Amino acid sequence: GNSVTQMEGPVTLSEEAFLTINCTYTATGYPSLFWYVQYPGEGLQLLLKATKADDKGSNKGFEATYRKETTSFHLEKGSVQVSDSAVYFCARSNYGGSQGNLIFGKGTKLSVKP
Amino acid sequence: DARVTQTPRHKVTEMGQEVTMRCQPILGHNTVFWYRQTMMQGLELLAYFRNRAPLDDSGMPKDRFSAEMPDATLATLKIQPSEPRDSAVYFCASGFPGTEETQYFGPGTRLLVL
Repeated sequence: GNSVTQMEGPVTLSEEAFLTINCTYTATGYPSLFWYVQYPGEGLQLLLKATKADDKGSNKGFEATYRKETTSFHLEKGSVQVSDSAVYFCARSNYGGSQGNLIFGKGTKLSVKP
Repeated sequence: DARVTQTPRHKVTEMGQEVTMRCQPILGHNTVFWYRQTMMQGLELLAYFRNRAPLDDSGMPKDRFSAEMPDATLATLKIQPSEPRDSAVYFCASGFPGTEETQYFGPGTRLLVL
C-alpha cells in the first residue's frame, strides 16, 4: 500500500547529541517527501522537504536526503538543542485519489535534556 | 506574518451537543484540509477542499460530521451530535496555489466531549 513508516519514540537525547529519526515510505511513482515538526501546544510546521531523488532538504540544522533506492528520508541533526524537543512527522505527497494531500507517519517524539 | 487561524482554541461540551469549529485559511491559499489528531490514531485527514469545492471527505464519519467552505476566507467543521470518541485536536491547514503539498497548519481546536 501507500504509507509512511517512521521510528517509534519517544527518543530522549542529551543536548549536543547526534539525532537520527528514520523514515521509509511506500508509493507508486516518485512522491515529494516532507518533515514537519510540532512543538507543544501548536500545529505542525514544515521543517524541510525534497521533491526528487537525491535532493537534500535542510533547515535549522536538520537535514534529510531523498533516497529512492532505499525509499527513505531519514532526518538528521548533528547537535540537538533543548529547543528541538517536539514531535517530528515524516510525510509524503499522495498522487492517488485525493491529489494534493499528504500522508503522514505516526510521529516521533523527541525530548532533549540539558 | 500570515497564519491560519482557528476558533475556538478549546471546547468542552456534553455528549449530544453540536460543535462548530472554524478556520480562516491564509489569504490567497486555495486548498484547505481538516485533520484530527489523537494519541491512538495519530494524524488523520478528514476532508480536503480546493477552490471551496470538497475533493475528498472519505475520512470523515458522514452521519455526524460535515465540512463546508461558505466563502474563500472561512472553512467550518461541524459535529452533530458529538460523542466522547470525538475528543481530539482538530487542525485546519491551507495550501498555496501550485504548492498545495506544502501545508500551513493552524494552532488547532482541542475538543473534549464529556
